[in-house]
Amino acid sequence: SQQGEEDPQALSIQEGENATMNCSYKTSINNLQWYRQNSGRGLVHLILIRSNEREKHSGRLRVTLDTSKKSSSLLITASRAADTASYFCAPFSSNTGKLIFGQGTTLQVKP
Amino acid sequence: SAVISQKPSRDICQRGTSLTIQCQVDSQVTMMFWYRQQPGQSLTLIATANQGSEATYESGFVIDKFPISRPNLTFSTLTVSNMSPEDSSIYLCSAECSGNTIYFGEGSWLTVV
Repeated sequence: SQQGEEDPQALSIQEGENATMNCSYKTSINNLQWYRQNSGRGLVHLILIRSNEREKHSGRLRVTLDTSKKSSSLLITASRAADTASYFCAPFSSNTGKLIFGQGTTLQVKP
Repeated sequence: SAVISQKPSRDICQRGTSLTIQCQVDSQVTMMFWYRQQPGQSLTLIATANQGSEATYESGFVIDKFPISRPNLTFSTLTVSNMSPEDSSIYLCSAECSGNTIYFGEGSWLTVV
């Protein structure tokens, strides 16, 4: 399916440590988008990586994409308590034109 | 980026009533989508709101329960009809902008009592 599956489901780290979240999917995609959701709020768009890109950076975020393995990873460096949230990956295909979400990774950053 | 505004942000509704959620985008967009997020769950796509035609519903969602309007390229509404406590959820509007980037609104948190 087009759904992204995040791993791990939950992650707990200390402030200052790095957090790595992984995403796998099964279909061909045009891009893959990562989102953050703070409790009870909307989704914040973090980064979009296209199928012809292998790595992309935005501030403390680093996203990789391996289309041969149908996988992506999100690295948050020097984590802060404010990074505590759920993170979702969403593979996008122009064939369907919509995003299907997995369960996400719940990240807790302890001060 | 796009700014997507939803109203209401939060509401408490009586069972058996209906509520309409509004979604306004600050630019013209082709595709708009409505999602539901039940407590402790991930997002589930309800439907794609098509401008000038009927919405396209995902499996498990029907127009009678979730009628959607899309009168122009910047606005859409989702109505949750004949509500029951099981409809208590966050309802999120999203829109596809340039480069296939999809942005979300802040969500509308509905509690049905």
